Amino acid sequence: DGGITQSPKYLFRKEGQNVTLSCEQNLNHDAMYWYRQDPGQGLRLIYYSQIVNDFQKGDIAEGYSVSREKKESFPLTVTSAQKNPTAFYLCASSIGMTSYEQYFGPGTRLTVT
Amino acid sequence: GQQVMQIPQYQHVQEGEDFTTYCNSSTTLSNIQWYKQRPGGHPVFLIQLVKSGEVKKQKRLTFQFGEAKKNSSLHITATQTTDVGTYFCAGGGTSYGKLTFGQGTILTVHP
Repeated sequence: DGGITQSPKYLFRKEGQNVTLSCEQNLNHDAMYWYRQDPGQGLRLIYYSQIVNDFQKGDIAEGYSVSREKKESFPLTVTSAQKNPTAFYLCASSIGMTSYEQYFGPGTRLTVT
Repeated sequence: GQQVMQIPQYQHVQEGEDFTTYCNSSTTLSNIQWYKQRPGGHPVFLIQLVKSGEVKKQKRLTFQFGEAKKNSSLHITATQTTDVGTYFCAGGGTSYGKLTFGQGTILTVHP
């Protein structure tokens, strides 16, 4: 089955720790994205990548970092610099950046205490 | 930057009633997409509109894109309990085709 996988579904961390969320796709899509979802705020773009070894900051990149070493993988690191890291994180991919539907993974719910 | 506003934030309806959510952009859009997120789930693509004044239908769902390509609406006729979820619009601008999502409308359908 083709799709996007994110793991784990739930993640708990102590404040001050970095944590990496995984995102893998087997759709052969060039573009990948990370969004953050908070209640009442919709989806906000953290980072996106149009092609391997290239990525761009989205609207709320501060406190986050990414890498795109393989086409299939786009991990997101939530660093200790992120002031409010508790959220639902969604990874998505699309064939390309322009005018293509995005396919979303099941998401990771991160809780930092 | 581009902003996409969506109203209402919440909508409670009785099963069988109609439902509409509206989306307005601060800038002209190249396209608009609609997604549905079931409770506890992830967003799933519904449709994309590209042309000015475009209207598309999917069974009981009707999607419209405004003439100025700055607003859009989703109308559901005769809601069913399976329509429950959050509906998002997402506007495509000119900057690398990034999507800007609206805040979403949470639809509750009472049987």
